[in-house]
Amino acid sequence: AQKVTQAQTEISVVEKEDVTLDCVYETRDTTYYLFWYKQPPSGELVFLIRRNSFDEQNEISGRYSWNFQKSTSSFNFTITASQVVDSAVYFCALLQGAQKLVFGQGTRLTINP
Amino acid sequence: GAGVSQSPSNKVTEKGKDVELRCDPISGHTALYWYRQSLGQGLEFLIYFQGNSAPDKSGLPSDRFSAERTGGSVSTLTIQRTQQEDSAVYLCASSLEPDNEQFFGPGTRLTVL
Repeated sequence: AQKVTQAQTEISVVEKEDVTLDCVYETRDTTYYLFWYKQPPSGELVFLIRRNSFDEQNEISGRYSWNFQKSTSSFNFTITASQVVDSAVYFCALLQGAQKLVFGQGTRLTINP
Repeated sequence: GAGVSQSPSNKVTEKGKDVELRCDPISGHTALYWYRQSLGQGLEFLIYFQGNSAPDKSGLPSDRFSAERTGGSVSTLTIQRTQQEDSAVYLCASSLEPDNEQFFGPGTRLTVL
């Protein structure tokens, strides 16, 4: 069965701190895709990144970076120098059968000024 | 360009009534998905359409739920004889190809009284 676990339900940090959101997945597929989405208070899910299972290189986009490790089935997300606008619920997801996203339960991130 | 749009944004209905939720995907996107987000269940897959292929209905919770996609574009999700447990935010997403990133609409918040 495909499963995504985000063990951190809520995280609260002070602005400018670095924060890492954990994501662990389970799949029997040899080829798969992983995603991160952001859901700000407005409610709309915003796509952040898509990573395929063949590419284990870490990715950096501005203050955001992602660490993909197949050996530990993890796809962690780090925000450097966090800002209040980063406050949102973040979802990690696994694409199952090239059809449906299986989401983790989400991590609510609060950045305090 | 325009993103995924959904209507209505909010729907309040009485138990036992039928409701229709509409989704307009991004133009040119071949794949369309419906998900449901509720407090108790998180983000759940409901149904997937790809081109002219038969839809994947494996996530529909009961036979009261149905969906169609006309002309490979607009989709309608219908819930018959609504129950209180159907209250949730119904999200539509589309992607250019099935394994690409999915872009989500703003959702329809359904409240069944």
